[in-house]
Amino acid sequence: DAKTTQPTSMDCAEGRAANLPCNHSTISGNEYVYWYRQIHSQGPQYIIHGLKNNETNEMASLIITEDRKSSTLILPHATLRDTAVYYCIVRVYGNKLVFGAGTILRVKS
Amino acid sequence: DGGITQSPKYLFRKEGQNVTLSCEQNLNHDAMYWYRQDPGQGLRLIYYSQIVNDFQKGDIAEGYSVSREKKESFPLTVTSAQKNPTAFYLCASSLDRGSNYGYTFGSGTRLTVV
Repeated sequence: DAKTTQPTSMDCAEGRAANLPCNHSTISGNEYVYWYRQIHSQGPQYIIHGLKNNETNEMASLIITEDRKSSTLILPHATLRDTAVYYCIVRVYGNKLVFGAGTILRVKS
Repeated sequence: DGGITQSPKYLFRKEGQNVTLSCEQNLNHDAMYWYRQDPGQGLRLIYYSQIVNDFQKGDIAEGYSVSREKKESFPLTVTSAQKNPTAFYLCASSLDRGSNYGYTFGSGTRLTVV
């Protein structure tokens, strides 16, 4: 599975959109992009995933560039409860999830 | 409510002792996984099981053992051979080995060697 690169940490004002970037320049055509988040001392929570098209659900939006070498997770109206570590993961269907260090998102009032 | 339950939440072990962490799910998921997390780091895969009575080593299996006698249960034993067992342990399950709709995680067990 392709490796991903994420910033170590980001800050966001409460009520504003949080845009979390992820680079996956070696992604191959059959690899999906997944996002999970982990609130302190809890298990990770699935957020969203996509292959080529942009995706949206009740939690977030996932924007994947046309060349698929990078993506952005968007939390449209961040709240204090969105403070967490966000993991961007690329994997082929059927492979295990491999978690990197992720991005620490701090939402501030 | 369906979910995945890990117990205990906190566990203390003396050096040289084996200890078993429990993981139970009622989601009817076929696949189950054990991860280890050290402070400030991501999750590392210890063992995984795709069906009953079958399991495979992950990236850091040394010093650990598992069993999968029932679909619902995937206990992890931390043996005395694991040199640095203090960590946060997370169990997860998924519908099958692919499961594009992701893994469901338990709330974790924090193991401390005293």
